[in-house]
Amino acid sequence: EAGVAQSPRYKIIEKRQSVAFWCNPISGHATLYWYQQILGQGPKLLIQFQNNGVVDDSQLPKDRFSAERLKGVDSTLKIQPAKLEDSAVYLCASSLMDLNTEAFFGQGTRLTVV
Amino acid sequence: GESVGLHLPTLSVQEGDNSIINCAYSNSASDYFIWYKQESGKGPQFIIDIRSNMDKRQGQRVTVLLNKTVKHLSLQIAATQPGDSAVYFCAEIGYGGSQGNLIFGKGTKLSVKP
Repeated sequence: EAGVAQSPRYKIIEKRQSVAFWCNPISGHATLYWYQQILGQGPKLLIQFQNNGVVDDSQLPKDRFSAERLKGVDSTLKIQPAKLEDSAVYLCASSLMDLNTEAFFGQGTRLTVV
Repeated sequence: GESVGLHLPTLSVQEGDNSIINCAYSNSASDYFIWYKQESGKGPQFIIDIRSNMDKRQGQRVTVLLNKTVKHLSLQIAATQPGDSAVYFCAEIGYGGSQGNLIFGKGTKLSVKP
């Protein structure tokens, strides 16, 4: 089966600019996650969707980050305006259900803010 | 802080030797744990999982041990190969404020010497 698809693979922007990332989860997976992975650290959850509803966005910096999954399939993560400390890899993952099931990860989008 | 952590940030082993990667977790309510392997430039890849009603689970060349008494998890890799070189993360399903999402530790970098 096809894996989790993310685009773009790389993005370089200046601080205060806006950027958007796209994720297409594995077909049939109800749960979708966005993680932020800063260099040398483990992934940190930003937001979790169950179908098109938000399950957990407690660690999403809502003043600048937003995410949506309008039709319960694809999702976009936006940063506006970006800061230098947003430089990281943004990983999307999906799983069949939300609890106690394996999450499959995409290759991520590497964002560099200069 | 993170509820899942690792004892050693780096581990160097000789090809053919066995590797043991350790992980401590703090949330005694967690009941599902996963080990992920992350190669450079890629997203985390599932290796093996274990539920809290088990203390050992074996896969192909890998074994995960769970000690709930001391909240410790380990990943054993038999006959380590150069292709095993990567960063390994343990992750737990968190509950309470982080219902049903994966919480990652900082990772252990495994280097295999030929």
